[in-house]
Amino acid sequence: QQQVRQSPQSLTVWEGETAILNCSYEDSTFDYFPWYWQFPRESPALLIAIRPVSNKKEDGRFTIFFNKREKKLSLHITDSQPGDSATYFCAASGNYNQGKLIFGQGTKLSIKP
Amino acid sequence: DMKVTQMPRYLIKRMGENVLLECGQDMSHETMYWYRQDPGLGLQLIYISYDVDSNSEGDIPKGYRVSRKKREHFSLILDSAKTNQTSVYFCASSLRLNNYAEQFFGPGTRLTVL
Repeated sequence: QQQVRQSPQSLTVWEGETAILNCSYEDSTFDYFPWYWQFPRESPALLIAIRPVSNKKEDGRFTIFFNKREKKLSLHITDSQPGDSATYFCAASGNYNQGKLIFGQGTKLSIKP
Repeated sequence: DMKVTQMPRYLIKRMGENVLLECGQDMSHETMYWYRQDPGLGLQLIYISYDVDSNSEGDIPKGYRVSRKKREHFSLILDSAKTNQTSVYFCASSLRLNNYAEQFFGPGTRLTVL
């Protein structure tokens, strides 16, 4: 049972375009949604995170849009750069999880120069 | 330079051999984790440790056990390794047991079981 789902599995956009990565979840008690990114042959690292008190979180070119009613969120990367090429993982946790994060399968993003 | 370390980085074992993966962190983090990463499956939690000798199963604990005798060290043990345990294993740590705490990942151990 996949509690956190991501789409698409892979995405290619041209440099300068906006990349949109999607994530959905099943458990309505989840209240924390971090995105981690992972470059080839490296370890995951926290990129940006949102809590449902807000429906938008922005950090430079990276923005999370959150829709609590539909249990969906998306990561928008504006002005995509080749250095943004990585695998992006959406994750979720809730009070009952005792600190455990549930990760989606990841979206592999490639930015063409 | 605060970080999470893992040893060894690469390991090849034969089926049935015992495997010990070690993880260390110098940030005095209470909570530590072991994940495995397989293509298309994301990161799957094997075990979580809330502090010394306080460990809890994650989503896929079968075939694994852990040991945490010091706050800064967390070991993953495979007794009689199986070929389906070939994977990349990541250790992570976070400051405290907190749903909103950032997890810091080690560099990973690539394990091959022949």
